[in-house]
Amino acid sequence: AQTVTQSQPEMSVQEAETVTLSCTYDTSESDYYLFWYKQPPSRQMILVIRQEAYKQQNATENRFSVNFQKAAKSFSLKISDSQLGDAAMYFCAYRSYNAGNMLTFGGGTRLMVKP
Amino acid sequence: NAGVTQTPKFQVLKTGQSMTLQCAQDMNHEYMSWYRQDPGMGLRLIHYSVGAGITDQGEVPNGYNVSRSTTEDFPLRLLSAAPSQTSVYFCASSYRGRTDTQYFGPGTRLTVL
Repeated sequence: AQTVTQSQPEMSVQEAETVTLSCTYDTSESDYYLFWYKQPPSRQMILVIRQEAYKQQNATENRFSVNFQKAAKSFSLKISDSQLGDAAMYFCAYRSYNAGNMLTFGGGTRLMVKP
Repeated sequence: NAGVTQTPKFQVLKTGQSMTLQCAQDMNHEYMSWYRQDPGMGLRLIHYSVGAGITDQGEVPNGYNVSRSTTEDFPLRLLSAAPSQTSVYFCASSYRGRTDTQYFGPGTRLTVL
């Protein structure tokens, strides 16, 4: 079974600064997907970014980018130019290539943004 | 499209009571699933379905039943509620393609006293 670990329960960043959230995972599979989800106080789960394991290029979505290190099984999220609206819980998630659409989540990192 | 809807938003039960959490989607998604979210543990998969009439267990299925008689609906039944089932429950759905995004409902906060 796959496991996903987020070692930082809480992080804080100054507005306009850059912050990196860490995620490691354990799997014996070679093909899979990795995701970062944002959960604001409204509880809604919002997809931030997705990475396919077979792609060497790191995914980027506006101010959000990942550092995907397949050999190290590491998948960190970098948020540039942090904004107050970025304050939320962030979850890293793993999906097997052939396991339907079921996700395995990490425990989450609470990000606080200081004005 | 309403997307993924869940009812109720909040519920309080007494130990031993039964209830059904409703989930519906209007996007004609084949895949649907239920997760529970507990503090510090992220979301964990309870049950999932890859199509009408087909369901299977996830990581934490004990104490829950599901059925999928239509593509649109995927209710989660608690047979005899226990305090350990106090949690936030999310329903999610997606198309069956490998690259398809999973859409989450707004969640149901359940408290079992």
